[in-house]
Amino acid sequence: EAEVAQSPRYKITEKSQAVAFWCDPISGHATLYWYRQILGQGPELLVQFQDESVVDDSQLPKDRFSAERLKGVDSTLKIQPAELGDSAMYLCASRGPADSYNEQFFGPGTRLTVL
Amino acid sequence: SQQGEEDPQALSIQEGENATMNCSYKTSINNLQWYRQNSGRGLVHLILIRSNEREKHSGRLRVTLDTSKKSSSLLITASRAADTASYFCATDAQGGSEKLVFGKGMKLTVNP
Repeated sequence: EAEVAQSPRYKITEKSQAVAFWCDPISGHATLYWYRQILGQGPELLVQFQDESVVDDSQLPKDRFSAERLKGVDSTLKIQPAELGDSAMYLCASRGPADSYNEQFFGPGTRLTVL
Repeated sequence: SQQGEEDPQALSIQEGENATMNCSYKTSINNLQWYRQNSGRGLVHLILIRSNEREKHSGRLRVTLDTSKKSSSLLITASRAADTASYFCATDAQGGSEKLVFGKGMKLTVNP
């Protein structure tokens, strides 16, 4: 069964360092989402891509966060510099054109701890 | 910002009992979805109900939607220890960019 892949699964970094997360969506899925999930909360959308274009990045803290999906396939989310408050689970999800009701498929997530 | 709000926030039951979770939301929606998340893992889609549907079944899951009250409920029948997880409702708002807005989640514990 096709799955969304994410790496690394866990990342520990010190504040002010740069971190990067990678996501490979299900093959053929045009829409890709990055979410941040703080412990005890639901996921909150950071950025949405349609192919290689950003559809919604209104909640992305653009002074330190960046996201790209250069070839419209896999994607990278970067934080520079990391802050203590960035500690969270970062989830990637994808949705294909056939999923007309917006069912999203999630990867296992990257757990970020900023010390 | 989070639109959905699950109730109760935590529920502990015995295996074999039914579990009911409620979700309230604020704006008009295209559909409402329920997801499950095992500890430290990604979310798994459970069931979707469209705004013009009132009830839907999938295996041991039953979801209802009342758009006049802006609320939904998820019923898990004959619960199992493996159902222990956090459950989230997510809404796909009308006129939006097809993004989902998740609630804060509800922790279900099924004791063997």
